[in-house]
Amino acid sequence: DQQVKQNSPSLSVQEGRISILNCDYTNSMFDYFLWYKKYPAEGPTFLISISSIKDKNEDGRFTVFLNKSAKHLSLHIVPSQPGDSAVYFCAASGNSGGSNYKLTFGKGTLLTVNP
Amino acid sequence: GAGVSQSPSNKVTEKGKDVELRCDPISGHTALYWYRQRLGQGLEFLIYFQGNSAPDKSGLPSDRFSAERTGESVSTLTIQRTQQEDSAVYLCAGVTTARYTFGSGTRLTVV
Repeated sequence: DQQVKQNSPSLSVQEGRISILNCDYTNSMFDYFLWYKKYPAEGPTFLISISSIKDKNEDGRFTVFLNKSAKHLSLHIVPSQPGDSAVYFCAASGNSGGSNYKLTFGKGTLLTVNP
Repeated sequence: GAGVSQSPSNKVTEKGKDVELRCDPISGHTALYWYRQRLGQGLEFLIYFQGNSAPDKSGLPSDRFSAERTGESVSTLTIQRTQQEDSAVYLCAGVTTARYTFGSGTRLTVV
């Protein structure tokens, strides 16, 4: 049973426009959420995170929104750039205050930003 | 080094053979995780090491899989009698405060 779901395997947007990547989760014990970005032949790299006590976190062109009642989070990239083309993984943890940071990952969404 | 190093980067092995994958973590990362990503799937948790505590092996898919880590040093993931379904990218990550630093992974292909 998938506890973290990224229902769109791929997304294509034009350079300069907004990219919106979505993620849903089923486990109500999750209280910390992260987005990772992965280029081919490289490991995933941390992008942005949000704690369940917040509903928004912004870092430059990247903003993550969390809707706890809907168990939904989204990553907005504005403006999108060709270098943003990568696979984006949503991840969740249920122990943000503890020492075991085991993450549950979604399947990823391949973002392609066209020049 | 500055990052998590994994070796080999690619491994092709025959079904039934044993393989050993290596992870060199960043100094100071007391926690180390192994994940794998099979084709079309998300990252799947395998095993977690935290200092000298007993490892969390709850993600290992079968008893053919084992991993070791001594203290905060190198970790090795061993797969015995490999099967085709073991084909995946195996990723190692060092962790501080839920921030993972991943290696580039080992792409294992079992033929």
